[in-house]
Amino acid sequence: DAKTTQPPSMDCAEGRAANLPCNHSTISGNEYVYWYRQIHSQGPQYIIHGLKNNETNEMASLIITEDRKSSTLILPHATLRDTAVYYCIVIETSGSRLTFGEGTQLTVNP
Amino acid sequence: EPEVTQTPSHQVTQMGQEVILRCVPISNHLYFYWYRQILGQKVEFLVSFYNNEISEKSEIFDDQFSVERPDGSNFTLKIRSTKLEDSAMYFCASRTGVHSGANVLTFGAGSRLTVL
Repeated sequence: DAKTTQPPSMDCAEGRAANLPCNHSTISGNEYVYWYRQIHSQGPQYIIHGLKNNETNEMASLIITEDRKSSTLILPHATLRDTAVYYCIVIETSGSRLTFGEGTQLTVNP
Repeated sequence: EPEVTQTPSHQVTQMGQEVILRCVPISNHLYFYWYRQILGQKVEFLVSFYNNEISEKSEIFDDQFSVERPDGSNFTLKIRSTKLEDSAMYFCASRTGVHSGANVLTFGAGSRLTVL
């Protein structure tokens, strides 16, 4: 699976958009970009995934660059409950193990 | 919304004792997983289980560990002789068999294991 690089931490004001970047320059054509988050001491939570098109669901939007070497997770109106570690994971859709890295600690401030 | 349920939420045990952590996956899910997270460290894959057998396991999942699906609802992780370094949060997860959701896992809230 391709390696990902994320900033270790980010801050965001409540109500503003949180934009979390992820670099995956070695991604291959059959690998998807998945985003999970982990709120303190809880189990990881699936957020969204995509292959090459931008995706949106009730939680977030995922923007993938045309060359697929990077992506951005967007939380459009961050709340205090969005404070969590966000993981970007690149993986084939074969269902093999998820490998969690260090992720980005997002802190949403009042 | 369907949930993955784990019990106990916290277990304290003496080194060398056997521990069984229990999980009830989402009812129509076909793939089951155990992950663990040592305090302050990354979430680590332990094992995946499908069609009543292990489909993949990590180097962490040695002979001290075993998994079982004893009936149609429970999925258990057994640690035969616990060591201090087994102290961690253990997460169970499950997913459907649908190809498009191949990596969309639903995780439980975790079982915290403390080995003294």
